[in-house]
Amino acid sequence: NAGVTQTPKFQVLKTGQSMTLQCAQDMNHEYMSWYRQDPGMGLRLIHYSVGAGITDQGEVPNGYNVSRSTTEDFPLRLLSAAPSQTSVYFCASSLGLAGPTGELFFGEGSRLTVL
Amino acid sequence: AQSVTQLGSHVSVSEGALVLLRCNYSSSVPPYLFWYVQYPNQGLQLLLKYTTGATLVKGINGFEAEFKKSETSFHLTKPSAHMSDAAEYFCAVTQGGGTYKYIFGTGTRLKVLA
Repeated sequence: NAGVTQTPKFQVLKTGQSMTLQCAQDMNHEYMSWYRQDPGMGLRLIHYSVGAGITDQGEVPNGYNVSRSTTEDFPLRLLSAAPSQTSVYFCASSLGLAGPTGELFFGEGSRLTVL
Repeated sequence: AQSVTQLGSHVSVSEGALVLLRCNYSSSVPPYLFWYVQYPNQGLQLLLKYTTGATLVKGINGFEAEFKKSETSFHLTKPSAHMSDAAEYFCAVTQGGGTYKYIFGTGTRLKVLA
């Protein structure tokens, strides 16, 4: 009964380093997405995917890359980390080929600090 | 473009008092509306949702919300607050049916006073 699994839970990077946040879901959900949560700003959509091989940009995509090679996995890559990317990152998935009218299932979050 | 506004970033109520968290949305087409709750150091979980049909929707833990199209609102209420309700609450909107972007409000942190 894993649901949405994110790794790592905590990470400290230096400016300019790259890293990948992993997200995996075992619910056979077509829709997956990444959000960042910052104080006073709610959750902002970074990238999303409606199925394997299909990705699109959200509100704040700059500095992040994604790929969706399988239904289960949706990694988020930081190409060259900046202090402005210090945040808590959430992966979320949803069932639905015709659009996510249903519930988003969230991972527990990954707290990233960029020094 | 869609947007969500949550009035009040912090709300305090006494235990046993009415909880009212406000959410207004903007959408050019009929929206799908959600309330999520986030407990400390956890991800978000769904409280309730409105897609179509009955405008008063009931969720978990005694919460309910009413979709009012004329007021473009989807306020969250609970008749009697419990200490365990202390958390952050997020309103979200999506158009569904081909539009895949959930847009979240900035959140309201609920404090319950003993």
